[in-house]
Amino acid sequence: GAGVSQSPSNKVTEKGKDVELRCDPISGHTALYWYRQSLGQGLEFLIYFQGNSAPDKSGLPSDRFSAERTGGSVSTLTIQRTQQEDSAVYLCASSPRTSGGAVFFGPGTRLTVL
Amino acid sequence: KNEVEQSPQNLTAQEGEFITINCSYSVGISALHWLQQHPGGGIVSLFMLSSGKKKHGRLIATINIQEKHSSLHITASHPRDSAVYICAVRKGGATNKLIFGTGTLLAVQP
Repeated sequence: GAGVSQSPSNKVTEKGKDVELRCDPISGHTALYWYRQSLGQGLEFLIYFQGNSAPDKSGLPSDRFSAERTGGSVSTLTIQRTQQEDSAVYLCASSPRTSGGAVFFGPGTRLTVL
Repeated sequence: KNEVEQSPQNLTAQEGEFITINCSYSVGISALHWLQQHPGGGIVSLFMLSSGKKKHGRLIATINIQEKHSSLHITASHPRDSAVYICAVRKGGATNKLIFGTGTLLAVQP
């Protein structure tokens, strides 16, 4: 596609349910990032995939959060047993190479945990 | 202390004013990005810098690698420039992780 796409655009779930958020990066981009932005807050790093290297998971807030990137392309962020504090906009970004290059953001998934 | 600091956090300007937003960082970087986010909107990349200066329309971005400082300037500001402006640095070395500043909320009044 022409840009980074994310799905769903909005997700409302009940506390305790699991959710999966999907990111389709720009084709050929080797670097993929997940961030989240809580209401009125800045961007919080979650996880970073760089090519075939082990992902940098240092930003994941708890073991309820996990992410994978299949075939170096599509990525899925999974949140298990969601809590109300997980409510945020989850943003995916990709970059054409690991050593630099412009970064392109997806439109985000707005997650609301009731 | 955050590795990326922006100032000011909030800025109100009158239409037509020259605006400067500053970004300082404390880590070695391979590149610095300036991003824009309109209220309720997505994040758009404005500039990527590794040295010197770049200009796009009314926007100018500069970086001083020695001083670990970058500035984003907006000339002849307009209400449509009202947005959050975010500085992000790509850490050097093996990690290449992006680290974001907290953003500067700019409001340009007509």
